[in-house]
Amino acid sequence: AQKVTQAQTEISVVEKEDVTLDCVYETRDTTYYLFWYKQPPSGELVFLIRRNSFDEQNEISGRYSWNFQKSTSSFNFTITASQVVDSAVYFCALSEGSWTDKLIFGTGTRLQVFP
Amino acid sequence: EPEVTQTPSHQVTQMGQEVILRCVPISNHLYFYWYRQILGQKVEFLVSFYNNEISEKSEIFDDQFSVERPDGSNFTLKIRSTKLEDSAMYFCASSELVPEAFFGQGTRLTVV
Repeated sequence: AQKVTQAQTEISVVEKEDVTLDCVYETRDTTYYLFWYKQPPSGELVFLIRRNSFDEQNEISGRYSWNFQKSTSSFNFTITASQVVDSAVYFCALSEGSWTDKLIFGTGTRLQVFP
Repeated sequence: EPEVTQTPSHQVTQMGQEVILRCVPISNHLYFYWYRQILGQKVEFLVSFYNNEISEKSEIFDDQFSVERPDGSNFTLKIRSTKLEDSAMYFCASSELVPEAFFGQGTRLTVV
């Protein structure tokens, strides 16, 4: 069965520190997609990235980077030089590319960035 | 940029009352979803909808829940007789090129 584990419940850092949010997934499918969403205090879910299982290339977008490793079933997210505005709950999610393509979310990591 | 719109943003209802949560998906999207997030917990899949019928539903989506696409633009979630444990944030999502879900801003439902 599919499962997403975000072992870090809460992380606190000081502004300008780098921080990595861990995500480990379980799936039996060879075709699947991984996502990261940001949920700021206002509550909405903001899409950050999608990755498919055939593309293990790491991605960088500004201060954000993602490290996808199939060998360890991990899809970790790093914020470089964190800012107070990065404070939010971050969710990792998995979709197995089935007909319904529902997302299975992890429990989220609350990131607090202090000035 | 097109977006998924949900109304209302917050609804308070008495236990046992029926509520309808409304969503306007992105216009050319074909797949629609409802998710639920109990306060402080993870986001959970409720139901997916395609071609005017339910594609999949979770065990949470029992007989108290129903979904409908009454016209070409709206997608609704109805809870027939609300319970205290239905209090949560409900997110609507839609997608075109599966799988990629665009989420609405959510409706916070409070059952008192």
